[in-house]
Amino acid sequence: SAVISQKPSRDICQRGTSLTIQCQVDSQVTMMFWYRQQPGQSLTLIATANQGSEATYESGFVIDKFPISRPNLTFSTLTVSNMSPEDSSIYLCSAGGGTGYDQQYFGPGTRLTVT
Amino acid sequence: DQQVKQNSPSLSVQEGRISILNCDYTNSMFDYFLWYKKYPAEGPTFLISISSIKDKNEDGRFTVFLNKSAKHLSLHIVPSQPGDSAVYFCAAMTGNQFYFGTGTSLTVIP
Repeated sequence: SAVISQKPSRDICQRGTSLTIQCQVDSQVTMMFWYRQQPGQSLTLIATANQGSEATYESGFVIDKFPISRPNLTFSTLTVSNMSPEDSSIYLCSAGGGTGYDQQYFGPGTRLTVT
Repeated sequence: DQQVKQNSPSLSVQEGRISILNCDYTNSMFDYFLWYKKYPAEGPTFLISISSIKDKNEDGRFTVFLNKSAKHLSLHIVPSQPGDSAVYFCAAMTGNQFYFGTGTSLTVIP
């Protein structure tokens, strides 16, 4: 299993600003992912954070809005850029073994409110 | 397009009785299914899974049933305990891609 921590746990931000969320895993993992959970919605995959290369984004998400870094096998960041109230959500980092059938382990989430 | 659906946003069950949480999916390419449990202010934690080659998997008080022809899976918790009160997400996989349902909030009443 993997233990995942996220910082910050919550934040209230002004419209037009950016916030970077950090995700730390206690062991080296192949795959790291970033999800968003808006109120009443399912967990939605934003992107797969690839170590040493550009993240792979899902439909509807773009690098300019959600730049992601993955400098090594235990750490990743997600930036929410030029925020608007619609970006208010819980952002979750997860990690998995990457063999297809490994379950994912999730961080506690970052609750973002944009005013 | 919601490929995994949990049509009951909430469920209340008396302690000791059975809790049945349901999940429907639309993509026949899904080959692995998982249930996650989420407490407030925590990330989801893995609960139980089932491969598409099986129709049942049991782990203690938790049993997952898969009906491929109906594209339906369910999670049974017997007996339900107050500590089971949480939001339960079902997820379906194809390749490395996970698709989650919207969750069902289970309340077990002592």
